[in-house]
Amino acid sequence: DGGITQSPKYLFRKEGQNVTLSCEQNLNHDAMYWYRQDPGQGLRLIYYSQIVNDFQKGDIAEGYSVSREKKESFPLTVTSAQKNPTAFYLCASRRGSVNTEAFFGQGTRLTVV
Amino acid sequence: DQQVKQNSPSLSVQEGRISILNCDYTNSMFDYFLWYKKYPAEGPTFLISISSIKDKNEDGRFTVFLNKSAKHLSLHIVPSQPGDSAVYFCAADNTDKLIFGTGTRLQVFP
Repeated sequence: DGGITQSPKYLFRKEGQNVTLSCEQNLNHDAMYWYRQDPGQGLRLIYYSQIVNDFQKGDIAEGYSVSREKKESFPLTVTSAQKNPTAFYLCASRRGSVNTEAFFGQGTRLTVV
Repeated sequence: DQQVKQNSPSLSVQEGRISILNCDYTNSMFDYFLWYKKYPAEGPTFLISISSIKDKNEDGRFTVFLNKSAKHLSLHIVPSQPGDSAVYFCAADNTDKLIFGTGTRLQVFP
């Protein structure tokens, strides 16, 4: 059953700690994306990757880091430098880089406590 | 600088009637547009897309219209059903990434 899996669904982090969100896909998609959703602000792009071992910053990359060591995996690390990390994080992938739909995971709700 | 705008944060429609969700964009180079539906605490699901070479695309109850000269697209849902109640996002393909609007919350009431 192909799809995108994000884990965990809920995550709590203490201030000052780094935390890594997992995203795995078995759709054989080349491109993968991380978005953040906040109330009233839609989906904002954090990082994206078109191929393995390459990635680009999105509109709100500060305080985040990613890696793309495998085609199937695109983990996102929320660092202590991210000032407002509490949000709903969404991972997506798509077959090509243009003119195709993206498929999303179920999201991870990160709360800083 | 918001390149994709959904100016109506919410819309309320009676069951069986038409729902029209609107979206504006600023970059005339965008040539592919998509609509997604999202329930709370879930990932968005793809609904329908349209290429700039077309001005209309239909899929069942969903129709997307594109007006390139006005840089405007709309999603029509006919007839609206209670299960359509969700947040709808429009998105534009910006070469190698999708840019999303802020979303419109649709509520379909009996």
